[in-house]
Amino acid sequence: AQKITQTQPGMFVQEKEAVTLDCTYDTSDPSYGLFWYKQPSSGEMIFLIYQGSYDQQNATEGRYSLNFQKARKSANLVISASQLGDSAMYFCAMREGAGFQKLVFGTGTRLLVSP
Amino acid sequence: DTEVTQTPKHLVMGMTNKKSLKCEQHMGHRAMYWYKQKAKKPPELMFVYSYEKLSINESVPSRFSPECPNSSLLNLHLHALQPEDSALYLCASSQPRDIDNSPLHFGNGTRLTVT
Repeated sequence: AQKITQTQPGMFVQEKEAVTLDCTYDTSDPSYGLFWYKQPSSGEMIFLIYQGSYDQQNATEGRYSLNFQKARKSANLVISASQLGDSAMYFCAMREGAGFQKLVFGTGTRLLVSP
Repeated sequence: DTEVTQTPKHLVMGMTNKKSLKCEQHMGHRAMYWYKQKAKKPPELMFVYSYEKLSINESVPSRFSPECPNSSLLNLHLHALQPEDSALYLCASSQPRDIDNSPLHFGNGTRLTVT
């Protein structure tokens, strides 16, 4: 079964607008972590934001915020004031279980920011 | 600049060649990872080393042989590869989860082409 689901293959947004990238997950583990990564065409994976399953507040990092709805098992990324440099592939990922860092990625959403 | 350094950036090899991918980090992380990413797909976990010991092998074919000489270095030895092994190979590091919930930090990857 798919652990991480990103239903939007592609999203378009105009510069300076906000955009929400969807992510739902499936786990029976009470302890898990959710991550968002950005991958430009150059290939590097850039860590954006992290949300722990026990965190009471939604995570924020600059223009990035995570809309964490635990009961719905969703962890949507909100990018405010989009910039041309935000055009990239965005991956939602989850780590679950004790012990090691087995990070599983969703299929990704390609974001294109237009002037 | 990324704090995880991968060399080479590009590699073209024949099916009978032996080559190695190298990864180095100086963040004091004690877990290191190899991921494989095919075009337009999410990264897939191959191997995890924790405290210099192999902890996860995701049923990777033996033509891929990982090595962790010390806590800063991770190698991936390649032998008798197939054209379908052509992909972006990403190295990452983090603290093991039993220390904290730090994210994985990725290198820029090695683009491998097998001819």
